[in-house]
Amino acid sequence: AQTVTQSQPEMSVQEAETVTLSCTYDTSESDYYLFWYKQPPSRQMILVIRQEAYKQQNATENRFSVNFQKAAKSFSLKISDSQLGDAAMYFCAYRSGTTSGTYKYIFGTGTRLKVLA
Amino acid sequence: GAGVSQSPSNKVTEKGKDVELRCDPISGHTALYWYRQSLGQGLEFLIYFQGNSAPDKSGLPSDRFSAERTGGSVSTLTIQRTQQEDSAVYLCASARQGIYEQYFGPGTRLTVT
Repeated sequence: AQTVTQSQPEMSVQEAETVTLSCTYDTSESDYYLFWYKQPPSRQMILVIRQEAYKQQNATENRFSVNFQKAAKSFSLKISDSQLGDAAMYFCAYRSGTTSGTYKYIFGTGTRLKVLA
Repeated sequence: GAGVSQSPSNKVTEKGKDVELRCDPISGHTALYWYRQSLGQGLEFLIYFQGNSAPDKSGLPSDRFSAERTGGSVSTLTIQRTQQEDSAVYLCASARQGIYEQYFGPGTRLTVT
């Protein structure tokens, strides 16, 4: 079975600085997707970024980028130029590829990010 | 367009009562997911519907939990004989077939007293 581990329950960053959130996963599959979701205090989960396992290039979305190390099964999220609005819970998630026949997602336990003014 | 909606936003019930939580997915989305999020925890998968296929119920924690999806659209999660440990936020998400991005609703906070 697949597992997702986020070992940092809480992180802090100064406004305008850079922070990296860690995520490791375990799977025997070769075809899968990885995601980072953000959950602000409003509870609304928002997709931040996704990575297809077959792509070697790391995904980037504006100030958000990932460091995807497939062999190490590591998928960290880097937030550059942190803003107060980035304060939220961040969840790492895994989904099997289409060949598996299932679209079930597995989420980590989350990292709470605090942004200090 | 309209996003995923859930109702009620908050529900307080007495131990032993049954509750129904509703999810309205985005129109055209064939996949629908239910998750449970306990205080300070991650998302626990409960059940997943995909089109007309049999649902994946592997995450339902006990036979007190059930869900249905009528007409491939609205879904209802039912918890019978609620227990205090059922207190949590219940999140619903929908997705287009074959597309990996889930769109989440705002959740229902269930409190069992």
